[in-house]
Parts: sequence; structure tokens; C-alpha cells
Amino acid sequence: AQSVTQPDIHITVSEGASLELRCNYSYGATPYLFWYVQSPGQGLQLLLKYFSGDTLVQGIKGFEAEFKRSQSSFNLRKPSVHWSDAAEYFCAVGAGNNDMRFGAGTRLTVKP
Amino acid sequence: GAGVSQTPSNKVTEKGKYVELRCDPISGHTALYWYRQSLGQGPEFLIYFQGTGAADDSGLPNDRFFAVRPEGSVSTLKIQRTERGDSAVYLCASSQSYQDEQFFGPGTRLTVL
Repeated sequence: AQSVTQPDIHITVSEGASLELRCNYSYGATPYLFWYVQSPGQGLQLLLKYFSGDTLVQGIKGFEAEFKRSQSSFNLRKPSVHWSDAAEYFCAVGAGNNDMRFGAGTRLTVKP
Repeated sequence: GAGVSQTPSNKVTEKGKYVELRCDPISGHTALYWYRQSLGQGPEFLIYFQGTGAADDSGLPNDRFFAVRPEGSVSTLKIQRTERGDSAVYLCASSQSYQDEQFFGPGTRLTVL
């Protein structure tokens, strides 16, 4: 069965600094990988997804993620964080769009 | 038009009571999903509908939980004999078809006293 580990429960970065959120997965086949963001009172929003092809995936809001099969990782990055990026971020793995298993999430705080 | 909506936004009930949570998916979306998100956790899959039928209900924790989608649009998640451990945010998502991106609603926060 697939599973996801997000090692960092909470991360604090300064506005304008770079960001990397870690995600490690366990899955027996080629995974579908996702990053979602959840702001207070808002539904989960898809940032980006990887199915196949180029291992560096570009998403919305300036986010990108890189699939590294050898490390079973799909880390999320952003070169310069904005205060509006403060939210909870979830990594998910699945056999497809209809079969996602989520990690426990990483809460991002942005310092002014 | 609008996104996925869920009602009520908050529900407080007493242990042992019955509750119904409603999800209105995006118009035209054939696939609908229910998740449960406990405090400090990611969403946990409960059940997935394709049209009117439950294509995968493997995530329902026990037989107190049941969901329906009689006309292939609105869905209701029903919880019988609620327990304090059922307290969580219940999320609904829909997608145009089972292979497409899921769009999530804001959730219903259920509190069982």
C-alpha cells in the first residue's frame, strides 16, 4: 500500500527566502505524486502533480517539485516565499487521480 | 459555475446521535470523493463515487458510516451512533471523471460531544 511521509511538521521562513518542503513516499509501482495547499477556511488546492515525463514539475504560484525515484522523494520548492504562502502543505501519492493517500502535512509560517 | 460546496460548515452533536453531511459537487462532475481529516493529519480517503454508485468504499471505517449519491450529483455522508472519535473535518471533492483533478470543498467540521 502507498504511504507518504512529510518529516517536517512545521517550518518557518522569512519572506523572500527560499523554501523546500520534504516529501518521501512508499509505493510499489510508478507513483502519481501531488502537492496540495490548504489555507484556513479554504479547500485543498492542487499546486502541482507528477505522472510521468520530466521529473521537474512546475506548478501554480511559483512552486515547483522534483521527482527523485532513487530517493523516493518529491520535494516542493519555491525560490522566494511571499507572506500569502503561509498555509498547510500536503504531499500525496497514488495510483491515479482517484486513489490518493496524503501525508500528515507541513505547516508553513512566513516571518515578515 | 461555483466550486464544491458542503453543508453545514460546522456540526456539533452528542455521542450516539445520527448526522448527515451534504456535498454539492461542481456541476457536471461525475466523480465524487469523501475524505476525513483529523486534527494534525492529512485527509484520509473514505469513499469514491462514479455516478450514482460507490466505486470504492474501502476507506469507510465501519458500518456506522454510509454515503449515498442517488442522482449522481449531491452526496450525503451519514454517520450513525456517533462517537467522540468521529470528530474531524469531513472533506468532499469532485472531478470531471475519475482520471481528472479533484477539486475540494471547504469541509464540514464535525464535533461529537
